[in-house]
Amino acid sequence: NAGVTQTPKFRVLKTGQSMTLLCAQDMNHEYMYWYRQDPGMGLRLIHYSVGEGTTAKGEVPDGYNVSRLKKQNFLLGLESAAPSQTSVYFCASSGAGTGTQYFGPGTRLLVL
Amino acid sequence: GENVEQHPSTLSVQEGDSAVIKCTYSDSASNYFPWYKQELGKRPQLIIDIRSNVGEKKDQRIAVTLNKTAKHFSLHITETQPEDSAVYFCAASKGTDKLIFGTGTRLQVFP
Repeated sequence: NAGVTQTPKFRVLKTGQSMTLLCAQDMNHEYMYWYRQDPGMGLRLIHYSVGEGTTAKGEVPDGYNVSRLKKQNFLLGLESAAPSQTSVYFCASSGAGTGTQYFGPGTRLLVL
Repeated sequence: GENVEQHPSTLSVQEGDSAVIKCTYSDSASNYFPWYKQELGKRPQLIIDIRSNVGEKKDQRIAVTLNKTAKHFSLHITETQPEDSAVYFCAASKGTDKLIFGTGTRLQVFP
């Protein structure tokens, strides 16, 4: 039981490049979330999903897109990376009705 | 929408002393209040949580108290140890709605 995993662990992008971050969970959780964490800013919600095939915007959705084609996977896409998107990205999941979120190990992204 | 404020932003204590971190929330409908601990370079991990039907919950050296009237909740760590040094985040949510996080408290425990 791996819990929540994220791929890749670290990535360097040039401005304007695109990439996809993958989150996978093996806990059969309904809800999945993408956060970014910047120094002194805490955790800010980018997008989330309450079930397969559904997504919703969080606090800071601009510049990101997501997809939840399978229950266990939640993808975060950057179509045209900007230096302001340099951050650590965390994925989390929670079971329906619990509210308790479990986090992945994070992806450190540097946009030059 | 919900807003969660967390204080202090940094806290230094001597080993063995107690540490208290406080959070206030704005939405009176919030009913779930978890606390996460994040060590340097690691993921946030749930250490304790409380739901609105109780006023206090304890787990060994950590406890959380909730005052629904005043809309604030606190994390209490007793007999602090160097391994308690980390960033602590509070959060609040309504039912199974998304969590709103505080901005974090960096706790340093000096031997």
